[in-house]
Amino acid sequence: DTGVSQDPRHKITKRGQNVTFRCDPISEHNRLYWYRQTLGQGPEFLTYFQNEAQLEKSRLLSDRFSAERPKGSFSTLEIQRTEQGDSAMYLCASSFIQSNTEAFFGQGTRLTVV
Amino acid sequence: DQQVKQNSPSLSVQEGRISILNCDYTNSMFDYFLWYKKYPAEGPTFLISISSIKDKNEDGRFTVFLNKSAKHLSLHIVPSQPGDSAVYFCAASVGSARQLTFGSGTQLTVLP
Repeated sequence: DTGVSQDPRHKITKRGQNVTFRCDPISEHNRLYWYRQTLGQGPEFLTYFQNEAQLEKSRLLSDRFSAERPKGSFSTLEIQRTEQGDSAMYLCASSFIQSNTEAFFGQGTRLTVV
Repeated sequence: DQQVKQNSPSLSVQEGRISILNCDYTNSMFDYFLWYKKYPAEGPTFLISISSIKDKNEDGRFTVFLNKSAKHLSLHIVPSQPGDSAVYFCAASVGSARQLTFGSGTQLTVLP
């Protein structure tokens, strides 16, 4: 399978705990994006990397969120001190660096904070 | 503020007929538009895109139309098939980062 892979698919955690998600992009893709989707809404941009550099972060990304992409390959998204409002689907996408090229999405990680 | 709007939460169409999904945007700087399809418990799947320099792009049963003056785009699916039943998201981007701004989606149901 050469698509975008996310792990885990589902995560249930207690409020206040830390969680970490992993994304493996399509190997040739330079860009990697994180989005969050809540029920009834479209995905919302969180942050993106070009190779290993994190170039942009949305104001949705509070201080409790941190993302990394060491060596420009896989990426991790960590949420510290989770809150119930963090419950959502977290989607990862990757694309080539050229303009006007589509992003390919993974299947997402469904986070439930109880 | 919602920069990309899909005002119809749902649409039902008979198999074989045309499905027309609509999308409006407010940011005139958007220069690249995409449609994604999403099944439950899966990530969005890319369908078709259009650059702002064009007004139409066609790929098989799918055609996207862009009306820049009205800030409106639409996706036509002809003929519609039951397997097309899914949530369809319109998305737009601007600048080199290509981060996407999504609409809230339209649930398409194609009735056999």
